[in-house]
Order: sequence, then C-alpha cells, then structure tokens
Amino acid sequence: EADIYQTPRYLVIGTGKKITLECSQTMGHDKMYWYQQDPGMELHLIHYSYGVNSTEKGDLSSESTVSRIRTEHFPLTLESARPSHTSQYLCASSGGTGSEQYFGPGTRLTVT
Amino acid sequence: KQEVTQIPAALSVPEGENLVLNCSFTDSAIYNLQWFRQDPGKGLTSLLLIQSSQREQTSGRLNASLDKSSGRSTLYIAASQPGDSATYLCAVHAYSGAGSYQLTFGKGTKLSVIP
Repeated sequence: EADIYQTPRYLVIGTGKKITLECSQTMGHDKMYWYQQDPGMELHLIHYSYGVNSTEKGDLSSESTVSRIRTEHFPLTLESARPSHTSQYLCASSGGTGSEQYFGPGTRLTVT
Repeated sequence: KQEVTQIPAALSVPEGENLVLNCSFTDSAIYNLQWFRQDPGKGLTSLLLIQSSQREQTSGRLNASLDKSSGRSTLYIAASQPGDSATYLCAVHAYSGAGSYQLTFGKGTKLSVIP
C-alpha cells in the first residue's frame, strides 16, 4: 500500500544530542517537504525537495539540515538539539507541481 | 506575503447539525486550495483539493467551495457525527518564486461534535 512513513513517532532527547528524523514514501513522488508545527499554531515549511540531490530551505528559518539521496527517503537532521527545537515535525510528499500533498503521522520531538 | 485566516478558531455543535467552516486568504493568485483534517497528535489527512478554476468539490458529507476573487473558501459538513471531531486546516497553494509552489496554512478550526 502506497504511504508515507515517519520514525520515530515520539522522541525525548537531551540538549546537545544529534538526531535524525526519518521520512520515507512509497508513492513514487518527486516532491517532499518538512513542516514544523507548534501546538495550536499553523504549519510552517522548513525544507523541501523537488528531486534527488535537490533541497531548498522553506519560509521558516531552521537549524536543521536535510538530504535527498534516494527518491523515497528525505531525512531531517539536527546536529545539536536545543529546547527551542521542541515541536512536531511533519513530512509530506506530492506528485506534481501544485498537486495534492500527503502527510506522514509526524514526529513529536521534546528536547530537555 | 500570503496569509490564511480561519474562523472560528473553535466550534462545538450537537450531533446531526450541519456546519460551515470558513477560510480566507489575502492573495487571490493561488494555484489551488486544500482542506485537511488533523486528529490530536497526528498528521494531516487530505479531505478535498479545489483547483483555482473550480467553484466547489464534494466528497461524501463534505462540500468545499472556493471564491478566488474574494479570497474565500468554505467547508460544509452535513449531518455532523462525533467522529468528525478534529481540527480542520485550510491551506492555499501558490507560486513562491524560483520555480517553487508552497502551501500556506491557517491555524485551523477545532471542531467538537457532541453526542
């Protein structure tokens, strides 16, 4: 079944640790996105990719980095986690320009 | 810069009632508009996508309309059920420059359907 997956679903980690949030999709989509959502607030785009070896920063400044080595995989990395990174991170993918976006279940990150 | 506003922020209705959620956006130059549902602590589920050339889209008990010139969309839910309780998000897709299209989200309307 075509879907989009995120791991871990929940993560509690100490300040200064390096973490990688995983996102994979089996829909064959070229376009993938990372959004950040604080409780009760709107989603903000932090990174996107339109294909392999293509990554761009979104509207919201983020200290995270991303890579796109394979079409189906779009991991997000924080080199040194801080309490300000505590948030929900949502991954999405879409097939064509301006087409419907499909979201994963999200990773809720808490940095202590 | 595109801004999306959703009113009301929260809504509580008795089961069986029909209801309307509102979404407005500041820049009418949109490619399409998408309505999502988000359950607590979970990701987003796409409900309806309306292209800029369309006036409305229907899926089951849901009907979404789009008036691009006035910068408005509504999501109509017929015969509401407790299972409809969730946060409903409106997002507009627009060209953001350098060959990219981006979604801009509203903060959502939190719907509670009381049995």
